[in-house]
Amino acid sequence: GQSLEQPSEVTAVEGAIVQINCTYQTSGFYGLSWYQQHDGGAPTFLSYNALDGLEETGRFSSFLSRSDSYGYLLLQELQMKDSASYFCAVRALVSGSARQLTFGSGTQLTVLP
Amino acid sequence: EADIYQTPRYLVIGTGKKITLECSQTMGHDKMYWYQQDPGMELHLIHYSYGVNSTEKGDLSSESTVSRIRTEHFPLTLESARPSHTSQYLCASSEGGQGKAFFGQGTRLTVV
Repeated sequence: GQSLEQPSEVTAVEGAIVQINCTYQTSGFYGLSWYQQHDGGAPTFLSYNALDGLEETGRFSSFLSRSDSYGYLLLQELQMKDSASYFCAVRALVSGSARQLTFGSGTQLTVLP
Repeated sequence: EADIYQTPRYLVIGTGKKITLECSQTMGHDKMYWYQQDPGMELHLIHYSYGVNSTEKGDLSSESTVSRIRTEHFPLTLESARPSHTSQYLCASSEGGQGKAFFGQGTRLTVV
């Protein structure tokens, strides 16, 4: 099976930079995704890394190191609306050609004024 | 951008009732998923499908069943609801190799 670890809570102030780490254990690894979920809402896709390195999308960046089974989400110029839960998710081969998406336990980000 | 729909949004039912949670997507995605999520907690995969007539159980043991007769439709059925089934159920779909899943708004189920 798969397992993912990420911090349960992170707090930062508006305008700051915050990094949310994710370590994973899985076989048949294909890639690491990040999702944002506001209270009462559905998860929404932020980014996906299949190869080592940094992917940048506006204020958000995501990094992957396959050799270390590690990734992180970097949020810059934090805004109050960034307060949400952030989930990492691994895409991995489960059986045959089936690729399953398994989520971590989520990191609750609180942005303070 | 995301065209995936779940009904109902909220449901309160009595113990022992049979219920079906509906999920439909209009994007033609092959892969569809059902997740269970309690408030403030992680998403647990309970079922997934990688195409018509192909379904698998996920990591979390569940007393529910699913079917995938059409690409766009992936209903989840509880034959006999119990209070322990009270939770939010999220349906998602994905396509291609980008690890990008689209989620429905969820069904918040309460079994009394």
